Amino acid sequence: DVKVTQSSRYLVKRTGEKVFLECVQDMDHENMFWYRQDPGLGLRLIYFSYDVKMKEKGDIPEGYSVSREKKERFSLILESASTNQTSMYLCASSSFGADTQYFGPGTRLTVL
Amino acid sequence: QKEVEQNSGPLSVPEGAIASLNCTYSDRGSQSFFWYRQYSGKSPELIMFIYSNGDKEDGRFTAQLNKASQYVSLLIRDSQPSDSATYLCAVNQDAGNMLTFGGGTRLMVKP
Repeated sequence: DVKVTQSSRYLVKRTGEKVFLECVQDMDHENMFWYRQDPGLGLRLIYFSYDVKMKEKGDIPEGYSVSREKKERFSLILESASTNQTSMYLCASSSFGADTQYFGPGTRLTVL
Repeated sequence: QKEVEQNSGPLSVPEGAIASLNCTYSDRGSQSFFWYRQYSGKSPELIMFIYSNGDKEDGRFTAQLNKASQYVSLLIRDSQPSDSATYLCAVNQDAGNMLTFGGGTRLMVKP
């Protein structure tokens, strides 16, 4: 079974803090993705990575950065958290050449 | 902008009935189509995928694809209260392994 884990289920941070969200997959997948999900807006892609040290912007990259130093780990960074970044953050992974994505449990981030 | 459209619902069906969930997409080049189920507060879970026109059955679930009309549907037979969730349709984009998700349809199965 594919297993995707995320570092926290719930996180509360203050405006202006630097926030790290981590995602780890154990299936040797090449592709990893970060989404945010908001009521009425659905799933929106923030960034994705198709290889170590490679990254591509998704639909809403502003205010976010990512890091992929190891194949199994993909980190999302909020450089200076703002209240409009309060959301559910979902990580997903897929293998090269396959488009089936498997999701982690999600991190519900609240920025006060 | 490539789009995937779903009726947000809620779609309410009685227990034991067939639930029919529909999805339309704009990109004619799409080749892969997915249905995910998402319980409240949880992450999406893959139910089915379909690549070819026609029907694909897996237990109580049937995915139907019509590329000419650009729609994909999910039928759930003998609906159970445990099927109550939001169902997300996802369609691949023609570049790499990206998926575009619809906004989801909330299904409520009443005992």
